[in-house]
Amino acid sequence: EAEVAQSPRYKITEKSQAVAFWCDPISGHATLYWYRQILGQGPELLVQFQDESVVDDSQLPKDRFSAERLKGVDSTLKIQPAELGDSAMYLCASSLPAGGAYEQYFGPGTRLTVT
Amino acid sequence: QQPVQSPQAVILREGEDAVINCSSSKALYSVHWYRQKHGEAPVFLMILLKGGEQKGHEKISASFNEKKQQSSLYLTASQLSYSGTYFCGTENSDYGQNFVFGPGTRLSVLP
Repeated sequence: EAEVAQSPRYKITEKSQAVAFWCDPISGHATLYWYRQILGQGPELLVQFQDESVVDDSQLPKDRFSAERLKGVDSTLKIQPAELGDSAMYLCASSLPAGGAYEQYFGPGTRLTVT
Repeated sequence: QQPVQSPQAVILREGEDAVINCSSSKALYSVHWYRQKHGEAPVFLMILLKGGEQKGHEKISASFNEKKQQSSLYLTASQLSYSGTYFCGTENSDYGQNFVFGPGTRLSVLP
């Protein structure tokens, strides 16, 4: 069964350092999402791609976060510089076309700890 | 805008029923339901669309009241495996943008 891949699974970094996360969606899925989930809360959408285009990044802290999906397949989320408040689980999900009719498949996530 | 979920938490005995509610202050196009177990990623349960269409993969039922902008998830004859946190996610348009998860409802099923 096809799965969404993410790496690394765990990352510990010091504040002010740069960190990057990678996501490979299910083959053929045009829509890719990056979420941040703080323990005890629901996932918060950071950025949504349709193929290689950003369709929603309204909640992305653009002064320190960036995301790209250059060829419309895999994607990278970067934080520079990391802050203590960035400690969270970063989840990637993919779906067939966006539009409310398709479920999102989530990867295992990257647990980030900023010290 | 984030949907509201109720209750925040519920404890059941195996075999009992539960209802989890999700409401929005905006008109809804779709409501998604996901379950997340501790330390794992969310897993899809069901989608309900404006107009009444419903899609799901498990034997869990749900309703969608478009006029009230509410959805309810019904868990009947609960099993131990139902334990986890249930999230609803809402979309306000069919453009597939502005998807927002609710804060979650923690469900614990005891033997």
